[in-house]
Amino acid sequence: GAVVSQHPSWVICKSGTSVKIECRSLDFQATTMFWYRQFPKQSLMLMATSNEGSKATYEQGVEKDKFLINHASLTLSTLTVTSAHPEDSSFYICSARGFEDRPSSGYTFGSGTRLTVV
Amino acid sequence: GENVEQHPSTLSVQEGDSAVIKCTYSDSASNYFPWYKQELGKRPQLIIDIRSNVGEKKDQRIAVTLNKTAKHFSLHITETQPEDSAVYFCAASKGTSGTYKYIFGTGTRLKVLA
Repeated sequence: GAVVSQHPSWVICKSGTSVKIECRSLDFQATTMFWYRQFPKQSLMLMATSNEGSKATYEQGVEKDKFLINHASLTLSTLTVTSAHPEDSSFYICSARGFEDRPSSGYTFGSGTRLTVV
Repeated sequence: GENVEQHPSTLSVQEGDSAVIKCTYSDSASNYFPWYKQELGKRPQLIIDIRSNVGEKKDQRIAVTLNKTAKHFSLHITETQPEDSAVYFCAASKGTSGTYKYIFGTGTRLKVLA
């Protein structure tokens, strides 16, 4: 089945620094990658939708300049949290569906990245 | 805007009993409804899904029902086991293209007591 690899699985960074999170589709081409943020015991909140070769579409309230998304190829999308602050600490997770997936197969999620900003 | 409500937020059942989780969506154009199971610190895993042209779908101990008129859909787990304990999320989406986003419910924390 479709696999999305996400790295790193966890990261601790100092306030003011930037962190890059990668999601790779291993056995399929992901034309669209969705990026979510999940706070403890809460739901998955969609941050942005990235399409290969074009600019990401951000959800209302998500700062484009703070959460930079790049989807330069059909197998790689990155989320960079710039100038991170403690309030950015969260679980970030990506999901994607490829070209040949059956309509009812659902999206495949990455394993998530737990970001802690100190 | 688009919204998916999910109830209950927590649910405790005895092993062997059934569990039911309900979701309501707001966008009548939604036509695809997946359910995900997320264990602590892990990625959500698709457990079952249903399209709007179907009223019910079953896969072993798991079933999903859809009422398009009322914009309700529910997850039913029968003969629950301790390993069913997890957080369950419903979602609603529209279209068959992989570019359509999911709107997730708020999640239900299911505890199956041995």
